[in-house]
This record gives sequence, structure tokens and C-alpha cells, in this order.
Amino acid sequence: AQSVTQPDIHITVSEGASLELRCNYSYGATPYLFWYVQSPGQGLQLLLKYFSGDTLVQGIKGFEAEFKRSQSSFNLRKPSVHWSDAAEYFCAVVPAGTALIFGKGTTLSVSS
Amino acid sequence: TAGITQAPTSQILAAGRSMTLRCTQDMRHNAMYWYRQDLGLGLRLIHYSNTAGTTGKGEVPDGYSVSRANTDDFPLTLASAVPSQTSVYFCASSQQGTGELFFGEGSRLTVL
Repeated sequence: AQSVTQPDIHITVSEGASLELRCNYSYGATPYLFWYVQSPGQGLQLLLKYFSGDTLVQGIKGFEAEFKRSQSSFNLRKPSVHWSDAAEYFCAVVPAGTALIFGKGTTLSVSS
Repeated sequence: TAGITQAPTSQILAAGRSMTLRCTQDMRHNAMYWYRQDLGLGLRLIHYSNTAGTTGKGEVPDGYSVSRANTDDFPLTLASAVPSQTSVYFCASSQQGTGELFFGEGSRLTVL
């Protein structure tokens, strides 16, 4: 069955430091890949998506993600984290013809 | 623009009672979804609808039913609520084939 794994439940980074959130998927073909962010008490917002083409995709708020087929990964990165980036981040995949399947999420805390 | 509207935003319900969570979108998206979000489990798909008149089961459909009489509305019904259905429920929509979901603000349901 298709699945999405986010190995890190909780990550704390210092403000201004770089960030990488990991995501691995299990699927036979290359699915559509997404990263969403959820601020406390709110719904989810799309950060970026990968369908095909350039494996490095840029998103909103200075985030980027790189698709690596050989590793079945789609890790999210940001060069310099801001306190406002503290939130929960979800990786998601869309296997063909079905709905989004989400990972369990990674909570990001930002220390000053 | 409203996007996705969910109601109620919060509800406390006695076990055994029925409840319908409402969801309306004004984006004319053909696909709609219901997810539940639980701590440590991420978002899990309950039911989905790829187009008006059709519905499908997600990862955790038991105890829930949906209907899709028209494009805009996608209500979720709990026929006889149980405490394990205490959760935050998110409705979402997308233009089928894009995979990009637009989420409502969520409905927090507590079953006692």
C-alpha cells in the first residue's frame, strides 16, 4: 500500500539556522508530491508541489524541496528559519486516481 | 472569497446521537474530501468524492457516511457517534487531477 513517512516527529531549530524536514514515500511510480503547513488552530496551506520536471521546486515563504527518485524522498528545506515558521508540516502524496495521503507530520519549534 | 466553509466550528455531542458536519465550497472544484486529524496520527482520509453523484471510501470510513448531491456541498454524517470519533474534521476540495487541496478551517467534535 502507498504510504508516506516523516521520520521526525518534532524538530527544534534556532532562529536563523537552516532547516531540513524529511519525507519518504512508498509507491511504485512517481506520485504527485506536496508539502503543507498548518499553523496552530488553522487549516492546512500548500507550501509547494512536485508533479514532474525539475526536481528542485520552490514554494512560498522561502521553502524549497528536492525530489530524489533513487531515495523515494521529497525533503523540505529552508536556508534560514524565522520564528513565524513554527508550525506543523505535512508531506503528502497523490497516488494515481486517488486522494491525498498524508504523513503523520513534523512539528517545528523555533528557538531564539 | 469564502473558499471552503465548514459548520459547526465546534460541537459537543453525546454518544449515540447523530451529527452532520456541513461543508460548502464556492470554487466549483469537482473533488471534495473529508479528513480527520488526531494527535500523532496526522490527517486520515474518511471519504472522498471525485465528482457530484459519486463518493468513495478512504482510510477510515467506518461510522461515517457522505453524500454529494451537487458540486458545492459535501456533508459528513455520523449516524451514532462514539467517543473514538472525537477529533478535528477537515473538509477540502480540489480540481481533480491537480492534487492541490484547499482546506476549510476545521470542525472540532467532542463525543462524550
